[in-house]
Amino acid sequence: EVQLLESGGGLVQPGGSLRLSCEVSGFGFSDYDMSWVRQAPGEGLEWVSGISSTGGRTDYADSVQGRFTISRDNSKSTLFLQMSLLRAEDTAIYYCAKATQPRRFLDSLDYWGQGTPVTVSS
Amino acid sequence: IQMTQSPSSQSAFVGDRVTITCRASQGINSFLAWYQQKPGKVPKLLIHGASTLQSGVPSRFSGGGSGTDYTLTISSLQPEDVATYYCQKYDSAPLTFGGGTTVEIK
Repeated sequence: EVQLLESGGGLVQPGGSLRLSCEVSGFGFSDYDMSWVRQAPGEGLEWVSGISSTGGRTDYADSVQGRFTISRDNSKSTLFLQMSLLRAEDTAIYYCAKATQPRRFLDSLDYWGQGTPVTVSS
Repeated sequence: IQMTQSPSSQSAFVGDRVTITCRASQGINSFLAWYQQKPGKVPKLLIHGASTLQSGVPSRFSGGGSGTDYTLTISSLQPEDVATYYCQKYDSAPLTFGGGTTVEIK
């Protein structure tokens, strides 16, 4: 059974940092590209960042470029999102999600975690 | 590339045919997915490649279109289909989502 479990969310002050993790199981993590998607309260979905299966290629939404860094540890089947210079508008539930097809950068997302909430407020 | 969904909300009777439209500001070569998100739940992939039904998704859901214009159709609306539906393009970064369409039962 495919499982994705996010952690690391919480309350942080504006300008602060937070590191999200996503531990996966049930599939060959090193074969699949991964993404982070967020959803602000009462709002729609926003793709945040993606990373290739090897970690050699990454992409970011303009809204987080230069502030967020995506990475992965294939030996631990874990995806990360390092977030810094956080703003109130970064408040959202953050989901990690798996690409539908192996070794396909920028793909649809067929499995999602339950999400971890991030609140940026003083 | 911007993704524009219409309508933003739709109300229909059980058994009705429901169609949601997603328009890209540029051609996306059918790199288009549809997701269903029920209240308080995680998004679920329904369709990828514009028209390929994801495994386990009921056959009353179908997708179509090409170029810049795509549709998601529910052939016979069921009570369990009450949800918000999102399109997403994935031809290139960023993987932009549409604004969502909320489907309700009359």
